[in-house]
Amino acid sequence: AQSVTQLGSHVSVSEGALVLLRCNYSSSVPPYLFWYVQYPNQGLQLLLKYTTGATLVKGINGFEAEFKKSETSFHLTKPSAHMSDAAEYFCAVSDPQSGGGADGLTFGKGTHLIIQP
Amino acid sequence: NAGVTQTPKFRVLKTGQSMTLLCAQDMNHEYMYWYRQDPGMGLRLIHYSVGEGTTAKGEVPDGYNVSRLKKQNFLLGLESAAPSQTSVYFCASRNSFMNTEAFFGQGTRLTVV
Repeated sequence: AQSVTQLGSHVSVSEGALVLLRCNYSSSVPPYLFWYVQYPNQGLQLLLKYTTGATLVKGINGFEAEFKKSETSFHLTKPSAHMSDAAEYFCAVSDPQSGGGADGLTFGKGTHLIIQP
Repeated sequence: NAGVTQTPKFRVLKTGQSMTLLCAQDMNHEYMYWYRQDPGMGLRLIHYSVGEGTTAKGEVPDGYNVSRLKKQNFLLGLESAAPSQTSVYFCASRNSFMNTEAFFGQGTRLTVV
């Protein structure tokens, strides 16, 4: 079974600083990878995804992530944090060998991003 | 664009009561899911459905039942609520292509007292 590890349940950065949220997955076969953002009292919204092709993926709100097969990682970055980026971020994977991913996405436990003024 | 709609948004139940959460999607998606979200636990899959009339168990199915009588609707039932089922419940849908993302509803905050 797939598993997803997000290092750091809470990450705090200063406004304008680099944001780095870490995600590692366990799989012998590269899965499909997703980052979601959840603002308070809201549902999850897709930030970006990697399926095939270019390993550096750009998403909404200035975020990007790089798929590194050798490190089984899919870390999320943003060059300059903004106060509006404060939210919960979830990394998720879908196993392409698992019935076409019908059994859903496997989520990490989430990272709460805090932006210091 | 409605996307995925969950009702109700909030509910307080007494232990032993029953209720049904409704999820409706208007994107003609084949797959639908119910997750629960608890602090520090991420999202855990309760049940899912790959099409009308089909359901399957996820990671944490005990105490819940589901039905998918119509393609656009996925119901989650609690027959006898317990305090351990206090959580935020999310419904999601997805089309049947492997590389697609799931779309989420706004969530239902359930408290069992």
